[in-house]
Parts: sequence; C-alpha cells; structure tokens
Amino acid sequence: GAVVSQHPSRVICKSGTSVKIECRSLDFQATTMFWYRQFPKQSLMLMATSNEGSKATYEQGVEKDKFLINHASLTLSTLTVTSAHPEDSSFYICSAMGQGASDTQYFGPGTRLTVL
Amino acid sequence: AQKITQTQPGMFVQEKEAVTLDCTYDTSDQSYGLFWYKQPSSGEMIFLIYQGSYDEQNATEGRYSLNFQKARKSANLVISASQLGDSAMYFCAIRRGGYSTLTFGKGTMLLVSP
Repeated sequence: GAVVSQHPSRVICKSGTSVKIECRSLDFQATTMFWYRQFPKQSLMLMATSNEGSKATYEQGVEKDKFLINHASLTLSTLTVTSAHPEDSSFYICSAMGQGASDTQYFGPGTRLTVL
Repeated sequence: AQKITQTQPGMFVQEKEAVTLDCTYDTSDQSYGLFWYKQPSSGEMIFLIYQGSYDEQNATEGRYSLNFQKARKSANLVISASQLGDSAMYFCAIRRGGYSTLTFGKGTMLLVSP
C-alpha cells in the first residue's frame, strides 16, 4: 500500500521559535498533499491543500503567513509553523494523494507539537 | 456543502462479534466518494475502505464492508469478527467528485473487549 512518512513525530519548542514538519510519500508520487490539524478528541480540520510546484490553498481562518507550506517535489511537502505560540500546540497530520481510480488520501503518522 | 454525521460517540463490542458503525451524509452532488479511516491511539489515520457513488456493489476489504444505501444517504461500516486491535477511533469522510478535499465526521470510538 501507499506509505506516507512524517518527521518529526514529536517536537517541543519554545514560544517564538519556528518548527518545520516534513511529509514524504515513500512509494508513490503525490500530486496533492494536505495538512490537517487535530485537537484532542476531535475530528481532523483541513488547514491547506498543496499541489506540487504551486502555492498552497489555505482554508478559511488559517493564517498562511503563520503556517508556511512548501510542496517542492512530488514526494515532499513541508509545513513550517512560524513564531510558534502555546495555542499552536496540536497534532498535525499530513496526507498525500496520487493519481488513481479512487484518489485515496494516505496519511502520515502525525506530529505532536508542544509549544512551551 | 458536504456534511458527514456520525451519531455514535462510542461503541462497545465483544471480541469475535460483528459491529456496525453508522455514517450518514449530506450532499447535493451526484458524483462523490465515501471513505472510512481508522485512527488508533498512536494517531495515524489508516485507510480502510472506499465507496464511489456510482458503484453498484457494496465495497468490501477483508473484514470490513461498507453498507451503502444511496437513497438513505448512509454509508455504514461493518466490521466482522472484531479483534482487540480494532479498538480505535473511526472516521467517515466524503469527497466531492472532481475535488480532492475530504470532509470528516466527528468519529466513533470503538472499544473491543475480550
């Protein structure tokens, strides 16, 4: 099956610093990648959609200057949380979608971000 | 707008029994796709099964089957012969035809007891 990796799995940082999270599709080319945020015991909230080589499309209410997304290749997308604050602490999870009959999104294992 | 409703916050089942997790959806589109994902405590979202709106047969994947009732706009997940490892959060999701984004329901927590 399709495998998506995410790194790091867990990160703790100080308030005001920036954190970069990588999402990689390991065995397929991801034409589209997605970034979600999930609060405890809640559903996934889509933050943005990115297509390789173009600017990400952000959902309403998501600050694009705070959550920088780069999709530089067909196997790698990065999410950078800039000037992180405690309220940015959350579980961030990416997914990737290639071309296929069902165009299924395959998810990475997620990154737990804690901002002190 | 698409909407997914999962009315069961939690479900309990004994090992080896079958369980049905409910999912109803709301869409005005003719073409759409329905997905079920499993999220264990580790956090990873695991794809389980997919049903296209034009698929005439109910989707099946091993112990998972999707009871698709188009007129009722329901897409219930049936897990046969539950195992302890099935304990997890289960999310139903819908995608509009021609689009890539998913809309998720709030999820159902399934606990399988010995």
